[in-house]
Amino acid sequence: GAGVSQSPSNKVTEKGKDVELRCDPISGHTALYWYRQRLGQGLEFLIYFQGNSAPDKSGLPSDRFSAERTGESVSTLTIQRTQQEDSAVYLCASSLAPGGRNSPLHFGNGTRLTVT
Amino acid sequence: DAKTTQPNSMESNEEEPVHLPCNHSTISGTDYIHWYRQLPSQGPEYVIHGLTSNVNNRMASLAIAEDRKSSTLILHRATLRDAAVYYCIRGNNNAGNMLTFGGGTRLMVKP
Repeated sequence: GAGVSQSPSNKVTEKGKDVELRCDPISGHTALYWYRQRLGQGLEFLIYFQGNSAPDKSGLPSDRFSAERTGESVSTLTIQRTQQEDSAVYLCASSLAPGGRNSPLHFGNGTRLTVT
Repeated sequence: DAKTTQPNSMESNEEEPVHLPCNHSTISGTDYIHWYRQLPSQGPEYVIHGLTSNVNNRMASLAIAEDRKSSTLILHRATLRDAAVYYCIRGNNNAGNMLTFGGGTRLMVKP
C-alpha cells in the first residue's frame, strides 16, 4: 500500500522567505511526527501529533516554526523567515498508535530544504 | 534521559553475521526498544522492536538482555544493501511519545 508521502522532495528558497512542507501519512495512522536531519547528523525531533490531542511542540527550535494537522490526515510544517541554519532534510513519520510503544514508525523520504 | 549508546561505526564482511550492540541502562519497565536503519538519501526504515523477549522477523533478530539494559540487533547474513546507519531507540513513555534518535551506528559491509 501507499507509504508516507512528502512534498516537495526538494525546495530551494532565499533567506527570509517562508516555506511550507507537506506530509501525507498512511491512512488510519493516528500519530504523526516531524523530524529534522542536518547533513551528516542524526534526527532531531520537532513536533508530534496524536489524534485530536494537543500536539507536543517541545522540539520546535524557534517561533518561526509551526505545524498543523487536520484530524488524522495531512500535516504541514511552516518555516517563516527562513535562515541558512534551517537547511536540512525534514522528515515526516506516522504510526498506527503512539510510536514509542508497540507501534513502529513509517517514514517518508523527506523534503530537502536549502536556504540560500 | 531517553538516550541510548551505540558505537559510531562497525565493519562487516559480506555474508557474515553482524551483531550491533546498544546500551540503554536507564530504560524503564514499559519502554519498548526499537531499531531503525537509514540508507543514503532515504528516510529511516523500521527494522524490529521488542519489550522483553527476543524477537525475530524477516529482516533481523533482536536479542534483549535479561535486565533490559542492553540489546543486540543481529543481521544473520550481511549483504552490501545492509550498509546503513542503524539507530537503537527507547520508546520513552515519559517523553510524550517522542522517539529520540541518537547518532546511530554506521555499518560498512565489505565485499
